[in-house]
Amino acid sequence: NAGVTQTPKFRILKIGQSMTLQCTQDMNHNYMYWYRQDPGMGLKLIYYSVGAGITDKGEVPNGYNVSRSTTEDFPLRLELAAPSQTSVYFCASSYSTSWGSEAFFGQGTRLTVV
Amino acid sequence: AQSVTQLGSHVSVSEGALVLLRCNYSSSVPPYLFWYVQYPNQGLQLLLKYTSAATLVKGINGFEAEFKKSETSFHLTKPSAHMSDAAEYFCAVTLNSGNTPLVFGKGTRLSVIA
Repeated sequence: NAGVTQTPKFRILKIGQSMTLQCTQDMNHNYMYWYRQDPGMGLKLIYYSVGAGITDKGEVPNGYNVSRSTTEDFPLRLELAAPSQTSVYFCASSYSTSWGSEAFFGQGTRLTVV
Repeated sequence: AQSVTQLGSHVSVSEGALVLLRCNYSSSVPPYLFWYVQYPNQGLQLLLKYTSAATLVKGINGFEAEFKKSETSFHLTKPSAHMSDAAEYFCAVTLNSGNTPLVFGKGTRLSVIA
């Protein structure tokens, strides 16, 4: 079972470069999420999606964009990388956000902006 | 809006001692509560969850948590710590209505001393 797959695992970007973090899930989950994790700060929600074609901002959306053209894929786009975007990024998916549905997480992408 | 507060960013226990990780929540409606564990360089995995059934919830690896509405708490315990329990633990909350993604606490790093 693949679950939630994120690529790449590591990336170094220069300031002003752009990149796309890929996320795909094979559990047919409607809900997908992007979080960033910074030391001592827990996980903060960047964007989420409740189904194909529907996305919404989370707590820290500035500097990021997302799209959800299929149920399986939820890429996160950084257009103009900044040092403040150095972080570990986690993609997650769940069947629902109601009824205590469990969120499944990918292994993370460690991004450094220099 | 819902939120969780984890008391103590770092907890250190001796092997075989009781583990107690504290989590208090804030929510205007009945919440769903979760504990996730993150081992080094990995994603998060679910330990246990409360979904308004039994107030004492048992999870994997011998962990359990008790939902106490009067104290707005959902503390995580394990009777006897093992070296393999060393990890970071996150409390998270969502609501039992609407499309509300998980909101995470800042995490508690558990160290186990031999």
